[in-house]
Amino acid sequence: QQQVRQSPQSLTVWEGETAILNCSYEDSTFDYFPWYHQFPGESPALLIAIRPVSNKKEDGRFTIFFNKREKKFSLHIADSQPGDSATYFCAALASSSFSKLVFGQGTSLSVVP
Amino acid sequence: AQTIHQWPVAEIKAVGSPLSLGCTIKGKSSPNLYWYWQATGGTLQQLFYSITVGQVESVVQLNLSASRPKDDQFILSTEKLLLSHSGFYLCAWSATGINQDTQYFGPGTRLLVL
Repeated sequence: QQQVRQSPQSLTVWEGETAILNCSYEDSTFDYFPWYHQFPGESPALLIAIRPVSNKKEDGRFTIFFNKREKKFSLHIADSQPGDSATYFCAALASSSFSKLVFGQGTSLSVVP
Repeated sequence: AQTIHQWPVAEIKAVGSPLSLGCTIKGKSSPNLYWYWQATGGTLQQLFYSITVGQVESVVQLNLSASRPKDDQFILSTEKLLLSHSGFYLCAWSATGINQDTQYFGPGTRLLVL
């Protein structure tokens, strides 16, 4: 089934803490997993992405952890800043059908100073 | 660098009226193009995709249609708007070849149907 589940729906962390956003999927053909963030009034912007050949991808304060066996992946935002407050969407795609990018329901992140 | 432009920025339309939204990408030859819809506070739902001029595939039926009249242009339209069409319409593009998985979104068009 082509569905991506995302949790929590909303998350509040203090400035400097690590925010952890979680996603899971069922379709074994998914092989590309991007995260997007969306600020109020703006369109989604690509943040970071991973392929299952690796179980970790880092880009500055943002890290994706990937567990292929459990079909789960998570985004860790280290040293969270108030400017990170946004809605974060995980997504998944099967390269064999590259067009069909399936999004999770989103996590609204608030970083409190 | 690639730039993606959507028009109009926002629209307020009456139920039953026609609609046409546009998307143009510059700086990228023969991109894959996509239309998405996002309800207020909701997630993104892919509507259509196109890999070449004149060819459009429908992903979900929402009483909308799409066309790709030029390599760099993607049009979303309907003859009769419904209240449920309100939301944020996003055009996206991806490269062809090995980087085709990564999709980039345009600025979007906000639509309110009354």
